[in-house]
Amino acid sequence: GQQLNQSPQSMFIQEGEDVSMNCTSSSIFNTWLWYKQDPGEGPVLLIALYKAGELTSNGRLTAQFGITRKDSFLNISASIPSDVGIYFCAGLTPYTGNQFYFGTGTSLTVIP
Amino acid sequence: DADVTQTPRNRITKTGKRIMLECSQTKGHDRMYWYRQDPGLGLQLIYYSFDVKDINKGEISDGYSVSRQAQAKFSLSLESAIPNQTALYFCATSDTGGVEQFFGPGTRLTVL
Repeated sequence: GQQLNQSPQSMFIQEGEDVSMNCTSSSIFNTWLWYKQDPGEGPVLLIALYKAGELTSNGRLTAQFGITRKDSFLNISASIPSDVGIYFCAGLTPYTGNQFYFGTGTSLTVIP
Repeated sequence: DADVTQTPRNRITKTGKRIMLECSQTKGHDRMYWYRQDPGLGLQLIYYSFDVKDINKGEISDGYSVSRQAQAKFSLSLESAIPNQTALYFCATSDTGGVEQFFGPGTRLTVL
């Protein structure tokens, strides 16, 4: 199956710092999604991206659809304790119909 | 009330036992999915269904089966559970043509 590599695997940051994470693939994708999973819950969609180069914001979160269509980036500005959780990218390729592939996740810990 | 519910939330069973995990949704979505989550591996698609008469295998369907009893219900079965099926299982739904998937709270399954 498709492999989506996320980095970093985990991050420990001080409250107020900015966060950057990315997701890369060996195949091109035509849709990128970013989800957040709070402890003990299912993932919740944060941002959806539909075309190469697209930059979309949702509050303190900003995500970009890479120009090569093989990567995506998520930035969180001025982190707060409730940003703690696991962040997943997910992608839809032109080759596998309607099946989304999920990245391995980035675990974020915010130290007050 | 939650839009996507899963039962049970936790289950401990023994090798060789048959297990059924159930998912119900009140969102009125046609599409339903089953994923498993393992630490460091993200979410992997087991099966998905786009309507009551439609069942499709995902990346890791071996050892699993599903039943779409109604638009609102999608069950996952492990015919003969084995220890490496110990994982967190998520059900999700989406609207036809939509990219956002709505996840249930998860079922933590332990196979001894």
